[in-house]
Amino acid sequence: NAGVTQTPKFRILKIGQSMTLQCTQDMNHNYMYWYRQDPGMGLKLIYYSVGAGITDKGEVPNGYNVSRSTTEDFPLRLELAAPSQTSVYFCASSYTGATETQYFGPGTRLLVL
Amino acid sequence: GESVGLHLPTLSVQEGDNSIINCAYSNSASDYFIWYKQESGKGPQFIIDIRSNMDKRQGQRVTVLLNKTVKHLSLQIAATQPGDSAVYFCADSGGGADGLTFGKGTHLIIQP
Repeated sequence: NAGVTQTPKFRILKIGQSMTLQCTQDMNHNYMYWYRQDPGMGLKLIYYSVGAGITDKGEVPNGYNVSRSTTEDFPLRLELAAPSQTSVYFCASSYTGATETQYFGPGTRLLVL
Repeated sequence: GESVGLHLPTLSVQEGDNSIINCAYSNSASDYFIWYKQESGKGPQFIIDIRSNMDKRQGQRVTVLLNKTVKHLSLQIAATQPGDSAVYFCADSGGGADGLTFGKGTHLIIQP
């Protein structure tokens, strides 16, 4: 199993541009999550999904959108990039929810200039 | 809102010594706790977890202790090695479907 994979690894955006961060897991996990990590800080939850077709907001959802059309994929969309969205983005998955181990991808480093 | 926090941002230990990383949590409803290790440029990697019905759990060279009375969690690493250098995060969950609440992390530095 590849586990949780994320693309791209690094991206530079100009203010106002849009992009999609891709996340795929091959562990047949029901739950998937998007976190952001600012320098020297812990991770904050952006959005999560408990299964295909179901998504919900986390702690810091403003400026982001998600979709979950399949069990495997959970893309994160930035519509109008802002400098405050400069961060490292991690996707994670788990089988039965937050009270089970979450497995993380390698992250996408995003710089908005 | 309530969040998980850590006592020390940096911990420096001698190679071969035992390391103890502490964590305080504030959500009394939390029933699942987990420690992650994050190396530079990588995603968090699972180390060990513990549920609220336990007060101690051991893994390979690692032990997690949970004191629910004072809402304190600790990670003990035995015979610390250079490969243990990383940032260690504790996180908790109140049992909902949403994600874990993370602390800021402790940077563990191994002195030769």
